[in-house]
Amino acid sequence: DAGITQSPRHKVTETGTPVTLRCHQTENHRYMYWYRQDPGHGLRLIHYSYGVKDTDKGEVSDGYSVSRSKTEDFLLTLESATSSQTSVYFCAISESVRENTGELFFGEGSRLTVL
Amino acid sequence: KQEVTQIPAALSVPEGENLVLNCSFTDSAIYNLQWFRQDPGKGLTSLLLIQSSQREQTSGRLNASLDKSSGRSTLYIAASQPGDSATYLCAVRPTFSGGYNKLIFGAGTRLAVHP
Repeated sequence: DAGITQSPRHKVTETGTPVTLRCHQTENHRYMYWYRQDPGHGLRLIHYSYGVKDTDKGEVSDGYSVSRSKTEDFLLTLESATSSQTSVYFCAISESVRENTGELFFGEGSRLTVL
Repeated sequence: KQEVTQIPAALSVPEGENLVLNCSFTDSAIYNLQWFRQDPGKGLTSLLLIQSSQREQTSGRLNASLDKSSGRSTLYIAASQPGDSATYLCAVRPTFSGGYNKLIFGAGTRLAVHP
C-alpha cells in the first residue's frame, strides 16, 4: 500500500467553522490531489499540486483552499464550512504524469459532516 | 465536457459467474482509462490502467478492454468470488488535463457476489 495518511478520518463540525484536512505521504511523490466523493457523483477533483508551493484548481474548487509547504504534506482548508461540503474527501498521489503511467494511489478518506 | 457513465449502478450475482461491468465516456480524447476498486469505508485501489493506444489489460481474473473510438470500456471478472464484492469505478484522464492526473470518474458499479 502507498504510504498515504489522511487526518482526521472523521470530523463533525458546524456551519461557518473553519476545517483543515491533512494528507501526509511517505512516497516522495511530486503530485498530490484532493477529491471529494458524493453519492451519484463519483469523485470530483477539488485542487491539485505539482510541487511544493505549486497548486491549482480543479473542477469543484469554490469554498476550498490548499497549501503545500513540504513535499509530504498537502492541506485542504474549508474557510467557512457549509452543509454542501459534507462529503468524503480523498487525497491521492502520483509519481509521474506520463501517459503510460501516472497511476493514482489513494488515501483512505476523511469523512466530514457539516451540521 | 467529458462525462463518464457506469452501467449498471448495482449488480448482484451468485458466486462463480463471469460478469461484465460497463463504462462509457463522451469524449474520446483521453490519455488513459483506469479501473479502481473501493471497499466500504476505504480508499480506492487501482486495478488496471489502459493507455489510449492499448486495447486491453489483464491482471489475474480481471480483464479490461478499451474502445476509444466508441467511448467504451468493459471490466470482465472471471469466476466471481464473494471477496470481489465492492464498488468498481472507472476514470478517464482527458487530454485537456495537460500534464496532470485530473481524472474524470464514473459514479461506480456496486457489486455483490453471494455464496
